Amino acid sequence: DIQMTQSPSSLSASVGDRVTITCRASQRISSYLNWYQQSPGKAPKLLIYAASTLQSGVPSRFSGSGSGTEFTLTITSLQPEDFATYFCQQSYNTLAFGGGTKVEIK
Amino acid sequence: QVQLQESGPGLVKPSQTLALTCTVSGGSISSGDYYWSWIRQSPGKGLEWIGHIYYTGTTYYNPSLESRVTISVDTSKNHFSLRLTSVTASDTAVYYCARGMGSGYRRLDSWGQGTLGTVSS
Repeated sequence: DIQMTQSPSSLSASVGDRVTITCRASQRISSYLNWYQQSPGKAPKLLIYAASTLQSGVPSRFSGSGSGTEFTLTITSLQPEDFATYFCQQSYNTLAFGGGTKVEIK
Repeated sequence: QVQLQESGPGLVKPSQTLALTCTVSGGSISSGDYYWSWIRQSPGKGLEWIGHIYYTGTTYYNPSLESRVTISVDTSKNHFSLRLTSVTASDTAVYYCARGMGSGYRRLDSWGQGTLGTVSS
């Protein structure tokens, strides 16, 4: 099984900050990596797929990069609605999610 | 805009079967462009993919759950279903249904709101 590890597990930031979240795969997964945002009490929402392709309707302040085993999600200029938990997910084989990164208000 | 809605008993006794249905509206479940998934989320295990099905009935399951899981589709009712047998307390979770797309870069682009499935006597 491919294990997905996110870091940090939580972070505190302020509105307007630049935030970077890292996701590492236990083996190479090319660009088969998606990012989701989950607000409290809501279902996850697809932000980025294929490591760097922005899902339709998602603000351009979100971006993804990486390939192989290391990936990043970057939010430039954090907005109030961005305080949520973010998950990575590999689709190289059996779908698997990372443990999540909670972005909290500083 | 496709919408998905989970339904089913919220409380199941240990050793019994958890059965949930996901009704799809705003789109046809028979579209070959998509597949239909179940995912669950528990505090202890995070997000866990359970499996998915194509409108043809072809299924793929998480190996860790495969012996207890059945996913089926009813195209006439535009819904798909999950059965999880021999449940224990560790199966307590919020269960989501979702639409998947992409034959190469697979992703889950629309989700239901989720339903809590509790296993307790």
